[in-house]
Amino acid sequence: NAGVTQTPKFRILKIGQSMTLQCTQDMNHNYMYWYRQDPGMGLKLIYYSVGAGITDKGEVPNGYNVSRSTTEDFPLRLELAAPSQTSVYFCASSRTSGRSSSSYNEQFFGPGTRLTVL
Amino acid sequence: QKEVEQNSGPLSVPEGAIASLNCTYSDRGSQSFFWYRQYSGKSPELIMFIYSNGDKEDGRFTAQLNKASQYVSLLIRDSQPSDSATYLCAGKEGNYGGSQGNLIFGKGTKLSVKP
Repeated sequence: NAGVTQTPKFRILKIGQSMTLQCTQDMNHNYMYWYRQDPGMGLKLIYYSVGAGITDKGEVPNGYNVSRSTTEDFPLRLELAAPSQTSVYFCASSRTSGRSSSSYNEQFFGPGTRLTVL
Repeated sequence: QKEVEQNSGPLSVPEGAIASLNCTYSDRGSQSFFWYRQYSGKSPELIMFIYSNGDKEDGRFTAQLNKASQYVSLLIRDSQPSDSATYLCAGKEGNYGGSQGNLIFGKGTKLSVKP
């Protein structure tokens, strides 16, 4: 199992450009997440998906879009890149939801994409 | 605003000592908590999960949860230089209002273990 894979590892964008960050998992997890991590900060949830065809906004969705056409893939689209989107982006997946208070919904993280917008 | 607060550190301890990392949370509905370790330039990896009041031990790691005080901690016994990393505390959103139980992360505490 490769787990959660992300491409690219690094990218530099100019202001106003667009790009798609790719995320794939081979663990047959229903739940997938996109986070961003700014220097010295924790992880902020951008979007999440509870299954193919179902996505929802997290804490910081502005400037991003997602789609989930298959269980395996969860791409993140940046439209009109801005310097404020300079960050490290992590994709994660989990087998179960967090609905039950005792559910051990461990999230497995990909290696991250380091994005700089100049 | 649901928040998870951590002291950003850095926390420096000598090799072999006990490292104590603390976390408080604002969401009274949060029932379970995760500790992730993140090495510099790497992705987070789960090291502890706790949802019952009290202590949970796993090897050199002990997680402690006090729901009345809204306080979570992680103790690392016999600290090693390889434990040097940033430790992220995460609380699961309370199960209300259609919440999916997503995780809310603190900013992390940077731990440095000196040989």
